[in-house]
Amino acid sequence: AIWMTQSPSSLSASTGDRVTITCRASQGISNYLAWYQQKPGKAPKLLIYAASTLQSGVPSNFSGSGSGTDFTLTISCLQSEDFATYYCQQYYDYPRTFGQGTKVEIK
Amino acid sequence: EVQLVESGGGLVQPGRSLRLSCATSGFIFDDYAMHWVRQAPGKGLEWVSGISWNSGIIVYADSVKGRFTISRDSAKNSLYLQMNSLRPDDTALYYCAKDMQYSKGAFDVWGQGTMVTVSS
Repeated sequence: AIWMTQSPSSLSASTGDRVTITCRASQGISNYLAWYQQKPGKAPKLLIYAASTLQSGVPSNFSGSGSGTDFTLTISCLQSEDFATYYCQQYYDYPRTFGQGTKVEIK
Repeated sequence: EVQLVESGGGLVQPGRSLRLSCATSGFIFDDYAMHWVRQAPGKGLEWVSGISWNSGIIVYADSVKGRFTISRDSAKNSLYLQMNSLRPDDTALYYCAKDMQYSKGAFDVWGQGTMVTVSS
């Protein structure tokens, strides 16, 4: 299986901050990488697919980059509604695997 | 509007069975792969099983292989997960998720989840 490792596991930030979350795959996955946002009590929401393509309706302050084994999710200007847990996921191969999550909390 | 609605969860004793359903609407069900993803209380996301658009590719996580069976019914636009020999560590919120493609894509639509609790 392909292991996905996210860092950090949690972070504290203030509204307006720039936030970066990294995700590393245990082997190359080309750009078959997605990012999801999950708020408490809610289902995950797709933010980015193909490593850098913004899903329809997702604000442009979210962006993704990377290819191969190293990927990044950036929130350029953190808003109050962005405090949530973020997961990366590879869909290059089965089993599909998720990172352990990064909880973004209010400082 | 694309919608996925799970049902069938509940409290079940270890070793027993449960069948989850996911009713879909708002898209051409036959054109997309579908998946089950679970989340244990306070934990992260775990992919459980996936099925391609035509049921030609069916895959399971090692943790459920041999115990769970995924299937789909085009006539009812529905996805199912038959869960046998349930264990306490199967306790989780089970989500149904739509693939963006017929076999290999991100998950662009999720249901609200159905809770499965395995306990004596």
